[in-house]
Amino acid sequence: ETGVTQSPTHLIKTRGQQVTLRCSSQSGHNTVSWYQQALGQGPQFIFQYYREEENGRGNFPPRFSGLQFPNYSSELNVNALELDDSALYLCASSLERWGSTDTQYFGPGTRLTVL
Amino acid sequence: AQSVTQLGSHVSVSEGALVLLRCNYSSSVPPYLFWYVQYPNQGLQLLLKYTSAATLVKGINGFEAEFKKSETSFHLTKPSAHMSDAAEYFCAVSDENYGGSQGNLIFGKGTKLSVKP
Repeated sequence: ETGVTQSPTHLIKTRGQQVTLRCSSQSGHNTVSWYQQALGQGPQFIFQYYREEENGRGNFPPRFSGLQFPNYSSELNVNALELDDSALYLCASSLERWGSTDTQYFGPGTRLTVL
Repeated sequence: AQSVTQLGSHVSVSEGALVLLRCNYSSSVPPYLFWYVQYPNQGLQLLLKYTSAATLVKGINGFEAEFKKSETSFHLTKPSAHMSDAAEYFCAVSDENYGGSQGNLIFGKGTKLSVKP
């Protein structure tokens, strides 16, 4: 069983640019969730995708968007980057969506720095 | 709104000593509670979870946590610390607005555990 992988590991962007972060879920996992972890804080839920459809969203503006693909990969896109978007972005995959206590498996994260 | 409070952003213990990391939660419904560990440059790894079965939950690496409804607490303990336990630990509660599942986790700010030789 392969783990959750994310790319790139680190990324530096300037304010106003757009960025795409990628995640590869564990094989067979239909659900992927994305979290933002600012320095010194716990992760905050951005949104979740289940079988390629958005299945819930946290308190993040629409410039944060995502995609999930049939091959268990997914993307987090952020438009019009702001300095406060600098954070570690984590994806987590699980077999089921909300309604279960299924374990979420986290990737190592992508460290985004916005200058 | 639900929330998680972790008391102490940094805890230091000696190798072989008891580890106690504190977590208090607020929730209007019976919660699902989790402890995750994050090693440097790695993602979060689930240590244990409480899903309304036994109140004393045993996890990996010798950790356990006890759910105490009267105290709204879910403290993490380990009888004897090992150098490899040095990491950051996060307590989380499931968001009740989503049926109490693990789809949306609300995390505390984390406690960094240091272990002295």
